[in-house]
Amino acid sequence: KAGVTQTPRYLIKTRGQQVTLSCSPISGHRSVSWYQQTPGQGLQFLFEYFSETQRNKGNFPGRFSGRQFSNSRSEMNVSTLELGDSALYLCASSPNNPQPLHFGNGTRLTVT
Amino acid sequence: AQSVTQLGSHVSVSEGALVLLRCNYSSSVPPYLFWYVQYPNQGLQLLLKYTTGATLVKGINGFEAEFKKSETSFHLTKPSAHMSDAAEYFCAVSFGNEKLTFGTGTRLTIIP
Repeated sequence: KAGVTQTPRYLIKTRGQQVTLSCSPISGHRSVSWYQQTPGQGLQFLFEYFSETQRNKGNFPGRFSGRQFSNSRSEMNVSTLELGDSALYLCASSPNNPQPLHFGNGTRLTVT
Repeated sequence: AQSVTQLGSHVSVSEGALVLLRCNYSSSVPPYLFWYVQYPNQGLQLLLKYTTGATLVKGINGFEAEFKKSETSFHLTKPSAHMSDAAEYFCAVSFGNEKLTFGTGTRLTIIP
């Protein structure tokens, strides 16, 4: 089986712009979670989608949003980018909780 | 709220020596516990998991962890360190369908 695929791997954006990141989960996995990883804050949970519905949400501002499609693929969007949004964004999938998460290699976002 | 504490942000051991990475959790109900490893520029890879059953869990790459309810601990061990074990290790906890909460990570360095 193919693993979790995240695109793009690297992204450079300017403050104020918006960005969309994409995640294709492992085939058959219906749950997709997003995490932000930074040196200062570590791994912070953004949100989780299951069968196209947001099931859990972290403590991030409304500029961070996501969605899941009927084929379980997911996108996350960040609007009005700030310098502090620079991070590695990790997507992970699982058949369902409490199954362990399977992570992609992430998208490294740099905001200048 | 669930939480997990990893003692020691950096651990150094000599090649061939015992590896011990500490993890304690806070929970009022039985948790699900995980250890993940992250190599540079990659996502997180599952090492092992505890959900129910046997408290001594064996994982990949020779790692194992023991769930000790009385000590609220889930320490990760490996009898003999190898140079390829150098990476960052994360302990994580979840309950049912709740999000996976990660510790702050421990960077393991192997001394030749």
